[in-house]
Amino acid sequence: DAGVIQSPRHEVTEMGQEVTLRCKPISGHNSLFWYRQTMMRGLELLIYFNNNVPIDDSGMPEDRFSAKMPNASFSTLKIQPSEPRDSAVYFCASTLTGGDSYEQYFGPGTRLTVT
Amino acid sequence: AQSVAQPEDQVNVAEGNPLTVKCTYSVSGNPYLFWYVQYPNRGLQFLLKYITGDNLVKGSYGFEAEFNKSQTSFHLKKPSALVSDSALYFCAVRVKAAGNKLTFGGGTRVLVKP
Repeated sequence: DAGVIQSPRHEVTEMGQEVTLRCKPISGHNSLFWYRQTMMRGLELLIYFNNNVPIDDSGMPEDRFSAKMPNASFSTLKIQPSEPRDSAVYFCASTLTGGDSYEQYFGPGTRLTVT
Repeated sequence: AQSVAQPEDQVNVAEGNPLTVKCTYSVSGNPYLFWYVQYPNRGLQFLLKYITGDNLVKGSYGFEAEFNKSQTSFHLKKPSALVSDSALYFCAVRVKAAGNKLTFGGGTRVLVKP
């Protein structure tokens, strides 16, 4: 199993530019989560999907952030326009809901730097 | 609302000594509890979980954790720490009524010295 795949691993962009982060969950998993990690705020849940449908986006900071999951094997997190305070490591995680397997499996993360 | 507290920002321990990382939680309902470890420049890795049953659960890399309902705690333990256990450790809780999302603690950095 390849695990959760994220791309790019590193992204450096200038303030005002659009940034798109990508995630491929583990095959067969039906829930997908986007997190942001910073030194100041720790690990924050931004949004999660069940069966490709957004369930809780209360953690999305503002309208500049949007996420989509067009199918079970792909999701994007977009920031437009980006700002320096968006600099963080963004993680995608997936899980199979049901039974007793509620643990989430994390990707390696995308380190975003906005200058 | 559910919450998780990890009262120690950092734990220092000598190699070969017992390691304990503390976690307490606050939830309405029965908690599902998890421990994750994060090595530098890596994603979080699942270590172990408590869903139901035996209060002592065993996980990867020789780690175990004990669910204590009366103290609302789920401390992570390892009898003999290794230098390679140095990492960031996160406790997390899920409550069924809150859906599938996990609430994470702030993390505890473990430093194991040779």
